Amino acid sequence: AQKITQTQPGMFVQEKEAVTLDCTYDTSDPSYGLFWYKQPSSGEMIFLIYQGSYDQQNATEGRYSLNFQKARKSANLVISASQLGDSAMYFCAMREGGGGGTSYGKLTFGQGTILTVHP
Amino acid sequence: GAGVSQSPSNKVTEKGKDVELRCDPISGHTALYWYRQSLGQGLEFLIYFQGNSAPDKSGLPSDRFSAERTGGSVSTLTIQRTQQEDSAVYLCASSSGQGRQYGYTFGSGTRLTVV
Repeated sequence: AQKITQTQPGMFVQEKEAVTLDCTYDTSDPSYGLFWYKQPSSGEMIFLIYQGSYDQQNATEGRYSLNFQKARKSANLVISASQLGDSAMYFCAMREGGGGGTSYGKLTFGQGTILTVHP
Repeated sequence: GAGVSQSPSNKVTEKGKDVELRCDPISGHTALYWYRQSLGQGLEFLIYFQGNSAPDKSGLPSDRFSAERTGGSVSTLTIQRTQQEDSAVYLCASSSGQGRQYGYTFGSGTRLTVV
C-alpha cells in the first residue's frame, strides 16, 4: 500500500487565488512527521512546511498552511495568494517515528503534484 | 560547507559500466540519505547513514547498488554494471538531527544517463 498518496497529478490556479494540494498518508505509528517540499524546474528541493503528529494546531509558514486532519489521515497544503513563482512540483512526505521530536529517519514521498499558476 | 554538495552534476555512461556518485554533506550533519528520482516521479529512498553505519539500506534496488560513508562525512554511491533503468537523478540529503522540522537539506543532485 502507498504510504503517501497525492491524487492530483496536475493543478491549475489563477494568480492571487488560493489553491489546495491534497495528501493522504498511511501509517500505524502514532509518532510521525509530515512535510511538504517544492521542486521548481531547477530540481532543488525546497522545504515548505512541517506538521508533527502530536501538534495541536495546524502549521503555517507565511502563505503556506497545512490542513491537518488526523482522523482522516490527510495533510493538505494550502497556498494562499498564488504567485507565478509558485509554479513547480509539490511533494508531500512522511517520516515515521519522528513526530515526537527526533528528526532522523527516511522520508517517504508521494508522487507529487505539478502546480501551474496562470497570470 | 554551506550546503550539500553533489558531484558530478551530470554523468553519461555506457550500459555495463560502473559509476560513482559523491555527496558531501553539511559539516556536522551526522545523518545522510540517498534518494533516486526518475523523470516526473517522486523521490525513492535508497539508503540512510548515521555516522559511518547504515541502519537502513532497505531501498537499494539490487546488489549492483552500494554506498559507503567515511569519516562521518563524504558518501559515495556506487552503481555497478549500469542498466538503462538506472537513469535518474540521484539526490543526497543530510540532517543534523536538531530541529525536527528543518532536518533535511538536499543537494542539487546528479543526473545519471545510461546509454
